[in-house]
Amino acid sequence: DSGVTQTPKHLITATGQRVTLRCSPRSGDLSVYWYQQSLDQGLQFLIQYYNGEERAKGNILERFSAQQFPDLHSELNLSSLELGDSALYFCASSPGTNLNIQYFGAGTRLSVL
Amino acid sequence: ELKVEQNPLFLSMQEGKNYTIYCNYSTTSDRLYWYRQDPGKSLESLFVLLSNGAVKQEGRLMASLDTKARLSTLHITAAVHDLSATYFCAVEPGNQFYFGTGTSLTVIP
Repeated sequence: DSGVTQTPKHLITATGQRVTLRCSPRSGDLSVYWYQQSLDQGLQFLIQYYNGEERAKGNILERFSAQQFPDLHSELNLSSLELGDSALYFCASSPGTNLNIQYFGAGTRLSVL
Repeated sequence: ELKVEQNPLFLSMQEGKNYTIYCNYSTTSDRLYWYRQDPGKSLESLFVLLSNGAVKQEGRLMASLDTKARLSTLHITAAVHDLSATYFCAVEPGNQFYFGTGTSLTVIP
């Protein structure tokens, strides 16, 4: 168990809908990362937060947004969903030190029908 | 366009044999990461290599980094079935992560 909790584990929704994925980092970790994994695109870095502030942005679509709250949990919001958004979404956390070892959650499998 | 290429994409090897997975990247990066992913599971961090010439070992796995050649290797010694998984490398230029395509390793008894 990595200590990173992601909910829900599975999500099935329809095109055009909006969903929210939630991530609770390991106790004490300040950084949260979001990734998307699909057969087409492989592993894609979406966004990173550090102690509530956005630190880096990767291949995140404008329809997607994220935030990190004062208690350090994070949410990834996906809107106007398309079939191609079906993927595994991973959250990872790290202490935010120079070493930057990441601990991954079990992921949320999103299916857009 | 930044590229992270892994070689080979698929690797089938017998138990007890040695092999090396290669990770080439096209941009400057002071850090390189290796991860393991079991089928249907999440990722597990294996190594973080922070500088040129860095070498790290954990059990039967040893990772090295040559930042001048923009090359990292993951060497597997005397493979065992438990090492069957997909291995990813990633670089982190400017706080963004770029992953390789992954190497799917199958160790055959």
